[in-house]
Amino acid sequence: KAGVTQTPRYLIKTRGQQVTLSCSPISGHRSVSWYQQTPGQGLQFLFEYFSETQRNKGNFPGRFSGRQFSNSRSEMNVSTLELGDSALYLCASSLLGTLEQYFGPGTRLTVT
Amino acid sequence: GQQVMQIPQYQHVQEGEDFTTYCNSSTTLSNIQWYKQRPGGHPVFLIQLVKSGEVKKQKRLTFQFGEAKKNSSLHITATQTTDVGTYFCAPSTNFGNEKLTFGTGTRLTIIP
Repeated sequence: KAGVTQTPRYLIKTRGQQVTLSCSPISGHRSVSWYQQTPGQGLQFLFEYFSETQRNKGNFPGRFSGRQFSNSRSEMNVSTLELGDSALYLCASSLLGTLEQYFGPGTRLTVT
Repeated sequence: GQQVMQIPQYQHVQEGEDFTTYCNSSTTLSNIQWYKQRPGGHPVFLIQLVKSGEVKKQKRLTFQFGEAKKNSSLHITATQTTDVGTYFCAPSTNFGNEKLTFGTGTRLTIIP
């Protein structure tokens, strides 16, 4: 099976812009989670989607949003970018009822 | 809320020496997962522990779950250069809840 894919892999944006990141889960995985990884804060949970519904949400401002499509693909959006949003954004998929997360390679976002 | 402490933050060992990282929670856990992230890579699932006092082995890696289900450890015997990376614990207090909280990680470097 193909692994989790994320696009784009690298992105440079300026403050105030918005960005959309995409994630395609492993075939058959209907749960998709997003994480932000920074050197200072580590791996932090953003949100989790299942069947196009957000099931869990982390402690991030409303500028961070996401959605899931009927084919389980997911997107996350960050509006009004701030310098502190520079991070590696990781998507992970899992089978419903299991916690084992399969991570994608991530999108490296740099905000200047 | 749940607080997770992972120690040490960094560990430098000579190749062939043993290595241990610990994950301690302030609350009783339902289960705990361990992940490894190679430099420049993404987290990869290693194992999940569910039962009190559980011990699981994967070749040179030994994973333990405390009797009180509040702490866990990962021990690597006779480290090799391929063991380099950051090891994260991901404890959960609610089985089936895909909102994983990751520990701060222990970064292992090997001195050849």
